[in-house]
Amino acid sequence: GQQVMQIPQYQHVQEGEDFTTYCNSSTTLSNIQWYKQRPGGHPVFLIQLVKSGEVKKQKRLTFQFGEAKKNSSLHITATQTTDVGTYFCAGPGGTGGFKTIFGAGTRLFVKA
Amino acid sequence: NAGVTQTPKFQVLKTGQSMTLQCAQDMNHEYMSWYRQDPGMGLRLIHYSVGAGITDQGEVPNGYNVSRSTTEDFPLRLLSAAPSQTSVYFCASSNTANYGYTFGSGTRLTVV
Repeated sequence: GQQVMQIPQYQHVQEGEDFTTYCNSSTTLSNIQWYKQRPGGHPVFLIQLVKSGEVKKQKRLTFQFGEAKKNSSLHITATQTTDVGTYFCAGPGGTGGFKTIFGAGTRLFVKA
Repeated sequence: NAGVTQTPKFQVLKTGQSMTLQCAQDMNHEYMSWYRQDPGMGLRLIHYSVGAGITDQGEVPNGYNVSRSTTEDFPLRLLSAAPSQTSVYFCASSNTANYGYTFGSGTRLTVV
């Protein structure tokens, strides 16, 4: 079945450094979503990308969808301690694409 | 609005016991899903529903049943609990397939 792979699994950064997580799919995706989960919390929807080559920004966060719609990235500029958590990408799967399949996530640690 | 409400928040079961995890949403969302989260495994889809009366299997459905008699409620039943079902369970809902799932706060289940 459709799989969404995420790397790296963990990332430790110093506050102020940049951070990037990558998401790769074995199949072309109609869209990709990104979520953030704070430690001990639940996932919270950040954004959805739909178009080939699409780039969207939310303050210090930049989201990209690859030209082939098989990969995506989330880049955080100048990390802050409030960015700590796990970032997940998710894409449609199964017949009809009604399932939402999540990657394993990238856990971000930020040292002040 | 309460959003997505999950009960209970914590539960300890003995092997072989059965129980139902409750999930209710008040946003009139058609799409609802159950995920389990284990360390390093991300969020794995158990079952999902695209509307009242319609359910389907996700990635890891064995040992779990669901039903969707109303738009609001989507309970998850563990038929005979096993230690391998120790996990955090999240219910999520959306008004559109593959877009902006709202998650509940989760149920932390331990099977001993």
